[in-house]
Amino acid sequence: DIQLTQSPSSLSASVGDRVTITCRASHNIGKYLNWYQQTPGKAPKLLIYAASNLHSEVPSRFSASGSGTDFTLTISSLQPEDFATYHCHQSYGIFAFGQGTKLEIK
Amino acid sequence: QMQLVQSGAEVRKPGASVKVSCKTSGYIFTDYDINWVRQAPGQGFEWMGWMNPNSNNVGYGQRFQGRFTLTSHTSLGTAYMELSSLGYEDTAVYYCARRIKFLGGAFDAFDIWGQGTMVIVSS
Repeated sequence: DIQLTQSPSSLSASVGDRVTITCRASHNIGKYLNWYQQTPGKAPKLLIYAASNLHSEVPSRFSASGSGTDFTLTISSLQPEDFATYHCHQSYGIFAFGQGTKLEIK
Repeated sequence: QMQLVQSGAEVRKPGASVKVSCKTSGYIFTDYDINWVRQAPGQGFEWMGWMNPNSNNVGYGQRFQGRFTLTSHTSLGTAYMELSSLGYEDTAVYYCARRIKFLGGAFDAFDIWGQGTMVIVSS
């Protein structure tokens, strides 16, 4: 099975900061990597599909890149509504998720 | 507006079963697979399985084989998951999610999620 490891597990930042979250796959998964945002009490939201494609209505401050085993999600200028937990998800083999990265206000 | 609305929280004793519903609206139910994902307290997401409401084909994660059943009621646009032989480790929030294909069908993702159903296993 393909494992996904996110780093860091948690992160403190301020409004306006630029942050990057990393997701590493245990095997080569090409570009079969998605990113989701989870806010308490709300349904998870798809942000990025196929490693670097912004889903509809997702703000352009979100971007992502990577292929193979190493992937990143970047938020260029944090807004208050971005403080949430972010999850990567591989769709190459049997679906699997990373453990999540909690982004908190500093 | 496309959405998935799940049934409410459940409390079960160890060894019992639970059935959670996921009512869809705003799109053609049989056009998309429904997947189920759970999240134990303080943990990440764990994928459980999928169902195609058109063909009734299903696929289950290996950890859940034998005690996990996915069904649907097409005329109601509703998917169901049932988990039996519950243990304390099954305490989690359970989500249904619609699987969509992008870029000519080459890539899968979950574009619409239900709000989650808390299942608590407690004696």
